[in-house]
This record gives sequence, structure tokens and C-alpha cells, in this order.
Amino acid sequence: GENVEQHPSTLSVQEGDSAVIKCTYSDSASNYFPWYKQELGKGPQLIIDIRSNVGEKKDQRIAVTLNKTAKHFSLHITETQPEDSAVYFCAASLGGGYQKVTFGTGTKLQVIP
Amino acid sequence: DADVTQTPRNRITKTGKRIMLECSQTKGHDRMYWYRQDPGLGLRLIYYSFDVKDINKGEISDGYSVSRQAQAKFSLSLESAIPNQTALYFCATSDLRGGTQYFGPGTRLTVL
Repeated sequence: GENVEQHPSTLSVQEGDSAVIKCTYSDSASNYFPWYKQELGKGPQLIIDIRSNVGEKKDQRIAVTLNKTAKHFSLHITETQPEDSAVYFCAASLGGGYQKVTFGTGTKLQVIP
Repeated sequence: DADVTQTPRNRITKTGKRIMLECSQTKGHDRMYWYRQDPGLGLRLIYYSFDVKDINKGEISDGYSVSRQAQAKFSLSLESAIPNQTALYFCATSDLRGGTQYFGPGTRLTVL
């Protein structure tokens, strides 16, 4: 089955700096790669996603890149703010009727004011 | 009101007790999921359901059972709770296209 590895497990950055979280996946058939943000005491919430036919996607300060050849994808947060502090999960999903989603182990991001 | 709700939000129970966690959604989605979150292990799928007549085991279903009472309701039961089932449990939904999952706020379960 699919295996998703996520690094780093913790990340501290100064406010205003950039943060990068990296994930690798094992199954070349995976075609959908969402990123979720989990704030303290809440459930994960989708913040951005990318499909395998696209190499990069941006949404304001957040961007995701995908390298299908190397089977890795990354989340980039620019101009970090304290409210970006949270746990971030990457995931990979196989296509088809079920679209089973396999999650990474999470990255705890701390933005230091 | 929240689209996906879970009850209870916190529960402390003893080894051997039966416990039920409930999930309700107002998103009108057919697909519902139960995940378990442990530190350093991410989110692991326990059970999933495509509709009221369809129940499937996930990667860690041992010790758990589920019931899909209606399109909007999906319950997770621990028949005889054990301490290593202490975790944060999340219910999620998605539409027929799959993809985006919508999570509830979670239930923190402690088994003593």
C-alpha cells in the first residue's frame, strides 16, 4: 500500500521567514495530494491541494509543489505569521472509486513572534 | 453550526468497558470515515463507509466496530476498551468525488 513520509516532525521559524515541509510517497499511482492544517483542539482542515497533472499551485502565502518523477511534494509558507502555528499533515490519495487517503505523520510548526 | 459534530468531546473510561463515539454530519455527504490520531503516527484509518449499506475496514480495525445508522450518522464502538486505545479520534466525511475530507473536532479518549 501507499506510504507517506513527512519531514521535519517539528519546525520553528521566526515570524516573517519562510517554512517548508516535505513529503514523499511510494505509490506512483497516487494522483491527489492534499495538505491539512490542524489547530490546537480542532480537526484537520484542508488548506491546499494539488493533482498529479499540475506541478505547482499557489494560494496567497501558501504554495505546494509536486515532483512526480521523484515522488515528492512540498508545502511552502511564506511570510509566516503566528497564526500559522499548527500541525500540518500531507496526504496522498489513489484515484478510483475509493480514493483511499494516506496521511503523513505531521509537522508541528511554531512561528516565533 | 459545525458541519461535522462528534460526541462526546472528551471521555475517560476504564479497561474492559464498552464505549461508543458518535458522529453526525449536515454536509449531505455519503462517505464517512473514522480515524485515530496518535503522536508521531499521524492519522490512521479505522473504518470507512460509502453509504448506509457499505462498511469497510481500514488499516487498524481490530478492537473496533462501527454502525452507519443513517447517511448523516456514523458511530464507532470499542467493545472492550484497552489502554492502548487511548488516542484522539476523528470522524470525517467526503463527497462522492472523494478528495477533500471534512473533519469533526475530535474526541479525546482515555482508557485507564
